[in-house]
Amino acid sequence: EIVMSQSPATLSVSPGERVTLSCRASQSVGTKLAWLQQKIGQSPRLLIYSASSRATGVPARFRATGSGTEFTLTISSLQSEDFAVYYCQQYNEWPPITFGQGTRLEIK
Amino acid sequence: QVQLVESGGGVVQPGTSLTLSCAASGFTFSNFGMHWVRQAPGKGLEWVAMVSYDGSHKYFADSVKGRFTISRDNSNNTLYLQMNSLRPEDTALYFCVKDRIIAEFEDWGQGTLVTVSS
Repeated sequence: EIVMSQSPATLSVSPGERVTLSCRASQSVGTKLAWLQQKIGQSPRLLIYSASSRATGVPARFRATGSGTEFTLTISSLQSEDFAVYYCQQYNEWPPITFGQGTRLEIK
Repeated sequence: QVQLVESGGGVVQPGTSLTLSCAASGFTFSNFGMHWVRQAPGKGLEWVAMVSYDGSHKYFADSVKGRFTISRDNSNNTLYLQMNSLRPEDTALYFCVKDRIIAEFEDWGQGTLVTVSS
């Protein structure tokens, strides 16, 4: 099973700031990596697939890079609606499909 | 637009069974793989099971293998999760999820809550 690790667990930032979230895989997943956003009380939403492709309707301030075992999601100029939990997910080798434990983005 | 509406959750005792349903609309259901993903209260996401577009291939997490069954009715645009021998650790919000391409979780339902407690 591929283990996904995210850092940090929680990030306190101010609106307007730029933030980078990290995700590491226990073995290479190529570019079969997705990022999901989950706001409180809502279902998750697909933000990024194939490591760097934005899903439909995702603003350009969300930018993702990486391949192999190291991935990042950068949000430039944080908006109030961006405060949420972000999960990375690998789908290169499954079952099982595995998720990171999440990074909580909170308002400073 | 895509709609996925789960139902069937509830409070059940350990060892009993429950069947979840997911009614799909807004897309050609028979063209897409479908998944169940769960989230225990206050916890992260856990993939549970997947069924291919035509129902011919099914995959399960080790934590539910042998206890849960996934199926679909393409004539009625409905996905199912049959859960047997339920355990307290199965307590979670269960989401029905549609593929974009295999295992890219493009659309999510609102979830149905399963609580396993004596």
